[in-house]
Amino acid sequence: QQPVQSPQAVILREGEDAVINCSSSKALYSVHWYRQKHGEAPVFLMILLKGGEQKGHEKISASFNEKKQQSSLYLTASQLSYSGTYFCGTHAGTSYGKLTFGQGTILTVHP
Amino acid sequence: EADIYQTPRYLVIGTGKKITLECSQTMGHDKMYWYQQDPGMELHLIHYSYGVNSTEKGDLSSESTVSRIRTEHFPLTLESARPSHTSQYLCASARGGTDTQYFGPGTRLTVL
Repeated sequence: QQPVQSPQAVILREGEDAVINCSSSKALYSVHWYRQKHGEAPVFLMILLKGGEQKGHEKISASFNEKKQQSSLYLTASQLSYSGTYFCGTHAGTSYGKLTFGQGTILTVHP
Repeated sequence: EADIYQTPRYLVIGTGKKITLECSQTMGHDKMYWYQQDPGMELHLIHYSYGVNSTEKGDLSSESTVSRIRTEHFPLTLESARPSHTSQYLCASARGGTDTQYFGPGTRLTVL
């Protein structure tokens, strides 16, 4: 089943923070986060593995709550370059080699 | 990061024509995928392959077919294009273990 992302869209001003959530009804092995800019291909941001870890990449970090089967992507002090659609892709362990992507969250950062 | 290439980038074609979308990767990844994505919408898996001579249909039914004769090459073919096939087609490949997928630039197909 497809993971559910929330919110569907968010509008920010530069410097503001945002959180994007990804929830699954299945037990997850890993969660992958991607960003897709308009007219471009999705770009891999980071992976969270089973174990409830948190990872960071400059001002973008993520967490994975294994018990809740939920991952959250944190964008702090947003920049114009953060604008795009964010997708989570989940790996349920039984679906070897396949990711199931959420519907996407559109993030728009204004000056 | 994978080097993955798709050609053509844009294709406008008439109804009934046969087309092949090319996808190649130079990283030696065993797993390759085709997704269909309408503008601003979610990614739908239409085909995947775990290695040479291995192909499977994805979650979204598609009239296209794929082949995997060489590790680096995963072409997608439409025998008779229709306007309903108009979409963006994204190819991806993944290394083993974490299954992190790396996407090609996509082919934007328009069928008139």
